[in-house]
This record gives sequence, structure tokens and C-alpha cells, in this order.
Amino acid sequence: GAVVSQHPSWVICKSGTSVKIECRSLDFQATTMFWYRQFPKQSLMLMATSNEGSKATYEQGVEKDKFLINHASLTLSTLTVTSAHPEDSSFYICSAERGSDTQYFGPGTRLTVL
Amino acid sequence: AQSVAQPEDQVNVAEGNPLTVKCTYSVSGNPYLFWYVQYPNRGLQFLLKYITGDNLVKGSYGFEAEFNKSQTSFHLKKPSALVSDSALYFCAVRRGVTGGGNKLTFGTGTQLKVEL
Repeated sequence: GAVVSQHPSWVICKSGTSVKIECRSLDFQATTMFWYRQFPKQSLMLMATSNEGSKATYEQGVEKDKFLINHASLTLSTLTVTSAHPEDSSFYICSAERGSDTQYFGPGTRLTVL
Repeated sequence: AQSVAQPEDQVNVAEGNPLTVKCTYSVSGNPYLFWYVQYPNRGLQFLLKYITGDNLVKGSYGFEAEFNKSQTSFHLKKPSALVSDSALYFCAVRRGVTGGGNKLTFGTGTQLKVEL
């Protein structure tokens, strides 16, 4: 149990386009989901906390207008990178919280912006 | 503020030998502690957690961790390492309060390499 999926697993896009990443909890409901960014050989950086039915809470320094988060249901959160630029290229990982204490992570999405 | 320290960037161990990956933490109040493993180009996989109760926590794939409140440590251990255990290991902490939505703080990760 506690399976989280992400789609797509990788995406290549042109600079200036928008990209949507989906995060789904497959066998449990998650009131709270989290979005992280990971740079090569580094730890995870929390970008935002996503709560079902309400606005996401962004970490300091994360542009909310650039990284749009929608948590429309208890099993789906989406991250849209708007007007992507090469510096947005990264590995994006989501997690879903089960039982109010444990986060379960998706497999990640590799974004490359040309 | 909460923080996690993983003092070793890399740990090398021979297959069949015991392994330890170190973690110390800082958090206000009681901690919730977690270990995750990451394989290349993959997300994090949950191994085990300490919430309350026995200080020795058993998790997936034969891993265990010992919570030591006085030393503020939560070291990951396995009695007999396998080559397939080679991966990046993250320790994480959050405040031990009821309710969801509490942020995890991760350590910088320890690369475990198990050799034949």
C-alpha cells in the first residue's frame, strides 16, 4: 500500500512553454501533498505544501505565479511550471501524506527546458 | 527550526558485513523521524519511522534504526549488507505533533556502497 504515481516521468520542452506534472495517490486519500525539487547530488528542497480544496502554501523564495499548484481532489495534485526556462530544469518529486504522519513519494519527474 | 545532519557523504561496506548510516537531528519537542532510500533517477522510498514507543524500529528490507533521545540520533542499521542496498539514504525529521501537513526536513543524504 501507499503508492504514489507521477506523470510524466520525464518531459522536454521549449523555453517559454508551460508544463503540467500530475501527482496521484493510488491507494489512499491524501489531504496534504508536498512538492519538492532536487538538484543533482543534493537533498530535497520543499517548494510548497498542497492542501485539498485550498490554496497551496509556498516556501520562501518559490514564485507562486511560476509554480502553480492545484489540489483538486484527495488523490490528485498538479504542479504547472509556467513559462519554463532552462534554470527550471530539475527533478521534481511529489509526496502524499498518509495517516497525518508519513509522506510517501512519487517516482519523480525529470524536466528539461531547452 | 528543525535540522538533520548526516555526517558521512558516503559509506562503503563489504557484502555480508553490518552497516550503519548515521543521523542526528534537532527539533523542538518530540521528534518524528524517518529514513528513506533513493535509487538513481527515482523518488524516495519509505524505509521506516519512529513516532513513539520502542526505541528500536524495524523497517523494510531488514533495516532497523535506533532512536536515542539523549544523543538526538537515529542511526540506520542492517546486520548483513547486500549489494542491492547500494543507494542514497536520507534521514528526515518533523515535529512530533498530531495532525498532518507538517514539513519534513531532510539531511543531505548518505551514499551507501556495498561491494562484493
